[in-house]
Amino acid sequence: QVQLVQSGAEVKQPGSSVKVSCKASGGPSGSFDISWVRQAPGQGLEWMGGFVSVFGEANYAKKFQGRVTITADESTRTSYMELRSLRSEDTAVYYCAKMHCGDGSCYEGWLDPWGQGTLVSVSS
Amino acid sequence: SYELTQPPSVSVSPGQTATITCSGDSLPNQFVYWYQQRPGQAPLLLIYKDTQRPSGIPERFSGSTSGTIVALTISGVQAEDEADYYCQSQTSDSGHNYQVFGTGTKVTVL
Repeated sequence: QVQLVQSGAEVKQPGSSVKVSCKASGGPSGSFDISWVRQAPGQGLEWMGGFVSVFGEANYAKKFQGRVTITADESTRTSYMELRSLRSEDTAVYYCAKMHCGDGSCYEGWLDPWGQGTLVSVSS
Repeated sequence: SYELTQPPSVSVSPGQTATITCSGDSLPNQFVYWYQQRPGQAPLLLIYKDTQRPSGIPERFSGSTSGTIVALTISGVQAEDEADYYCQSQTSDSGHNYQVFGTGTKVTVL
């Protein structure tokens, strides 16, 4: 069984950047396709973007384009999500999750398992 | 932007049946997935490809589809089913594919 373990909580100043890691352990090696999802306090789930290893490229939700970078390294089975120009509204728990690709786009697939989440607090 | 709409809340007595709907214009052409999220925990996959249940998920959880509306049914609700539930699907725009989540439904067990 694959497990995803994320880096620890972060406290950041407005205008700075944060980089959260997500490392896979256990389970078979192979494609490492990861989505990142965030959840603001008391709010729902919000997809930020994903990385498909066979193409070696990321795809981002329009809301985050230009401000987020998602990477993934199959050799180390680690994904990173960097969010820049942080503001108070970015305070949230950030999750990584493994994408299961269907016959078409990987973004048509489901997310399982999920990391434990990383709380990022943005405050002056 | 594309949205998946869920009822904000559903209340159900133990042993009864809870049904959570998810509506979206593109749903007839896309698979839908369902997740359970208990307080303070990460989401857990309940249903994939509209109706399939991963190993380890109790049989009381089932998925169904009907046009632009899909549903998650919890039969014989138990106290431990009190949680938030989210549907998830995919949409496309200008050649890019995006994952999208429903607005979420809080299930309260009375």
